[in-house]
Amino acid sequence: QSALTQPRSVSGSPGQSVTISCTGTSSDVGGFNSVSWYQQHPGKAPKLMIYDVSERPSGVPDRFSGSKSANTASLTISGLRAEDEADYYCCSYAGSYTWVFGGGTKVTVL
Amino acid sequence: QVQLVQSGAEVKKPGASVRVSCKASGYPFKNYGFTWLRQAPGQGLEWMGWISTNTDKQTYAQKFQGRVTLTTDTSSNTVYMELRSLRSDDTALYFCAREKWDYYGSPFDPWGQGTLVTVSS
Repeated sequence: QSALTQPRSVSGSPGQSVTISCTGTSSDVGGFNSVSWYQQHPGKAPKLMIYDVSERPSGVPDRFSGSKSANTASLTISGLRAEDEADYYCCSYAGSYTWVFGGGTKVTVL
Repeated sequence: QVQLVQSGAEVKKPGASVRVSCKASGYPFKNYGFTWLRQAPGQGLEWMGWISTNTDKQTYAQKFQGRVTLTTDTSSNTVYMELRSLRSDDTALYFCAREKWDYYGSPFDPWGQGTLVTVSS
């Protein structure tokens, strides 16, 4: 049950796009279409942004999109806005009612 | 609306145990499972375990096997996380979160507000 691998930080200017990768194994990311992404602002609880690889919950802007190829999932934020500055965590189902999270990526809006 | 409210902050000595509660409201309690995670200061989210409110089946991360127990109380719509043999590196913000849907691999939404557990002599 090793943590999924995410870059520690990414940055972009307002209006630009940034992509966060999340690399796991065939036992988690590659084995299930149950990858989710969470946004966490300082001092707050995480918020679900993407589930089942690419689905957006109601209320999440369509600037947020997800995808997956083999053992790597990605979250793309298009049209970056100041309020998108936060930590982002990927999560994958790993079978037998277990889950694994990534180490988190800090998104900075320049 | 669906809401999860966790118990208040705790300060414990090394070697002690802590029990954190997570009270659910706004929906039929037994329809969805719960998970617990923690976040050490300045660190990422760490998955600890999951419990079914239907069957009481539990799963735990290997790291916490034998030291953590998840339980439910359907009479009060509350889920509990007990962590034993506390060490200083157990100091963290502990979160409960509910399965968003009733299927395996479901994402987690909503989340509790978090409970700070401080372990210090």
